[in-house]
Amino acid sequence: SAVISQKPSRDICQRGTSLTIQCQVDSQVTMMFWYRQQPGQSLTLIATANQGSEATYESGFVIDKFPISRPNLTFSTLTVSNMSPEDSSIYLCSVEDHQATTYGYTFGSGTRLTVV
Amino acid sequence: GQQLNQSPQSMFIQEGEDVSMNCTSSSIFNTWLWYKQDPGEGPVLLIALYKAGELTSNGRLTAQFGITRKDSFLNISASIPSDVGIYFCAGHPQHSGNTPLVFGKGTRLSVIA
Repeated sequence: SAVISQKPSRDICQRGTSLTIQCQVDSQVTMMFWYRQQPGQSLTLIATANQGSEATYESGFVIDKFPISRPNLTFSTLTVSNMSPEDSSIYLCSVEDHQATTYGYTFGSGTRLTVV
Repeated sequence: GQQLNQSPQSMFIQEGEDVSMNCTSSSIFNTWLWYKQDPGEGPVLLIALYKAGELTSNGRLTAQFGITRKDSFLNISASIPSDVGIYFCAGHPQHSGNTPLVFGKGTRLSVIA
């Protein structure tokens, strides 16, 4: 399956600042997905990032707060802007993973963000 | 939007016991996926199901895609301490196009040695 490197793995940030999370995949993928997992909760999709076009955001998420870059088919970044304590979550990137006999989605190991 | 109802929310079991958890939906799904998330890690795919009625095993894990396409279960046999974690079901609703996965709320499994 695809291997995803996500960094940083964790960070503690001051409110009002911004953090950029990077996601690197070991193969070319059409779509990359960014999720948020609030403490004790399930995964919520933030946006879908396609190379060469603007990301598509889900309801409740806006580009000004979560700008996304997708400069090529193996890399994407998510920025959490003007952070507040409510942004404390795990942020995960994911890609579709097509193998010979299976199909699913592979996830990075996540970025645990704490905003103080 | 689409929702998956996953149960139970949490389980405490003795080592060696079998475990069963399930997901249901009010609408039809084309794909069911089961993930496990360890603390501090991203979810890892355990089993993927693509056809109604499909029964698939992965070691001590067995999962089935319900005939109605609105449910799926995951069984773990002879649980061991490393089975501890959060298990998520996920799926693609029918006619979802490129809509990404819908996730259940997770089942938190604790194994008592």
